[in-house]
Amino acid sequence: SQTIHQWPATLVQPVGSPLSLECTVEGTSNPNLYWYRQAAGRGLQLLFYSVGIGQISSEVPQNLSASRPQDRQFILSSKKLLLSDSGFYLCAWSPGQKNTEAFFGQGTRLTVV
Amino acid sequence: QQPVQSPQAVILREGEDAVINCSSSKALYSVHWYRQKHGEAPVFLMILLKGGEQKGHEKISASFNEKKQQSSLYLTASQLSYSGTYFCGTESIQGAQKLVFGQGTRLTINP
Repeated sequence: SQTIHQWPATLVQPVGSPLSLECTVEGTSNPNLYWYRQAAGRGLQLLFYSVGIGQISSEVPQNLSASRPQDRQFILSSKKLLLSDSGFYLCAWSPGQKNTEAFFGQGTRLTVV
Repeated sequence: QQPVQSPQAVILREGEDAVINCSSSKALYSVHWYRQKHGEAPVFLMILLKGGEQKGHEKISASFNEKKQQSSLYLTASQLSYSGTYFCGTESIQGAQKLVFGQGTRLTINP
């Protein structure tokens, strides 16, 4: 069966510090991978998605970046965090085709102080 | 572009019905519905792939009007466990495999 792992679960970082959130999927190959951010009381904002290794689509201009160094690994990074980067970050995967359901990781609650 | 959900919030008594709407400005391939409990990850409910398609799961069902680029989620005889935030996600024809979500509808079920 397929599983998705996302860590850490919670993170408190000072303004200006770097960020690295990792997401890995097991039990499948060539998945679509997604990073979403959920600010308090708001919806799921698509940040990045990837349909293959090295293929990253950025949806929102910001100081975040994403990379997919391996088929089932998706990393969200920042060189310098802003207060506005606080939120609930969710990684998700779907089978490598359209019109299929997405499966979410348990999320990382990031607080920038 | 994100789909638009309405209403933003609903408060019901147990046993009452609710309808949540989702509309897009783009032609759609599919509409997904998810439910999220506070502090947890969203959980998949159903996906609608064809215009006019309707699906159901227990007392939760949904319809998809492809021409109007709209979908509705119907919750009948609501249970306390239905509480949470409901999100519709859409894949547009121009952006297949790019799953974009609405802002969510918070549903509260009171005894």
